Amino acid sequence: SQTIHQWPATLVQPVGSPLSLECTVEGTSNPNLYWYRQAAGRGLQLLFYSVGIGQISSEVPQNLSASRPQDRQFILSSKKLLLSDSGFYLCAWSPWTATATNEKLFFGSGTQLSVL
Amino acid sequence: QKEVEQDPGPLSVPEGAIVSLNCTYSNSAFQYFMWYRQYSRKGPELLMYTYSSGNKEDGRFTAQVDKSSKYISLFIRDSQPSDSATYLCAMSAVGGADGLTFGKGTHLIIQP
Repeated sequence: SQTIHQWPATLVQPVGSPLSLECTVEGTSNPNLYWYRQAAGRGLQLLFYSVGIGQISSEVPQNLSASRPQDRQFILSSKKLLLSDSGFYLCAWSPWTATATNEKLFFGSGTQLSVL
Repeated sequence: QKEVEQDPGPLSVPEGAIVSLNCTYSNSAFQYFMWYRQYSRKGPELLMYTYSSGNKEDGRFTAQVDKSSKYISLFIRDSQPSDSATYLCAMSAVGGADGLTFGKGTHLIIQP
């Protein structure tokens, strides 16, 4: 069966510090991978998705970036965090499609990021 | 007008009651409809997945889609305290490149 691992569960970072969140998927090959952010009262916001190694699509302009160095590894990064980057970050995967479309999404357990 | 509207609640009902959760949407191109359950500080978990109009039942859960009214529902029978969570609807279009569009979620509380 497929599993998705996301860490850390909680992170407190000062403004201006760098960020690296990692997500890995097991039990499937060539998944689509996603990063979402969930802010209170604002719902789930798609940040990035990837349909293959090195292929990243950005949905929202911001100071965040994503990379996919391996088939089942997805990393969310920032060089300098802002207060507005605080939120609940979720990694997700779906069976491969050419675009981030209509497939069922399976989410990780999330990272609560607080930027102070 | 937002693409997907969902009442944030909280919706509080007694244990054993039938719960009705709803979403409305404006994009007539949506064809795939999903319900996710999210416990506090956890990732959403896929509950129901339906294509186009109609009903789908899975245990105590029933999902309904009415595309003519652009309205979807999730019914929970014999509700349990463990059903207390936030329920998010999600939908997408065939071939759409924007991924899923989520509602903001309804916070459900089942009182023992």
